[in-house]
Amino acid sequence: QQPVQSPQAVILREGEDAVINCSSSKALYSVHWYRQKHGEAPVFLMILLKGGEQKGHEKISASFNEKKQQSSLYLTASQLSYSGTYFCVAGSSNTGKLIFGQGTTLQVKP
Amino acid sequence: GAVVSQHPSWVICKSGTSVKIECRSLDFQATTMFWYRQFPKQSLMLMATSNEGSKATYEQGVEKDKFLINHASLTLSTLTVTSAHPEDSSFYICSANSGSGADTQYFGPGTRLTVL
Repeated sequence: QQPVQSPQAVILREGEDAVINCSSSKALYSVHWYRQKHGEAPVFLMILLKGGEQKGHEKISASFNEKKQQSSLYLTASQLSYSGTYFCVAGSSNTGKLIFGQGTTLQVKP
Repeated sequence: GAVVSQHPSWVICKSGTSVKIECRSLDFQATTMFWYRQFPKQSLMLMATSNEGSKATYEQGVEKDKFLINHASLTLSTLTVTSAHPEDSSFYICSANSGSGADTQYFGPGTRLTVL
């Protein structure tokens, strides 16, 4: 099943914060977050494997709830370079397959 | 980090011709690679799982006779779009697991296919 992301699109001013939510109808083995710029391949941001896990680097972090059915990506003090489409991706334990959510388009304006 | 390359980065072909896209893991061995397709303003859709030395596993709705996958070595997988038609025009992206134990997949830069 494809993860469901919300919102579909966000417009921010530089320095503002944003949260992108991701939910699944059943428990996930892992959650990956990717960012894709127009015309480019997705770039890996982070992976969460454990329920209750929180992870981040610089001003981008993510959480994975205890039941492993929801994840959120937090972008703080956004920069112009944060613009792009963010994908929540469900990982499979035995096949390695990744199932991408529909994506959230983030636009950061000066 | 692990590097995955794709060739060509873009290709334009006539309807009815076949196009081959290569995916290489440059600094690691990948027993499994994945092929995705992405239409404009849409998400990535997994097409198939490419297994070194065995047949690829295709997702539901993907024609295996149209999208031929060959994983001949631990660093190379190829996707051949046979008898391409305009509706096959898309962004094709491959990925490979680095095998570092973290389940992280690294993506190639993608190949833009345009069928006239």
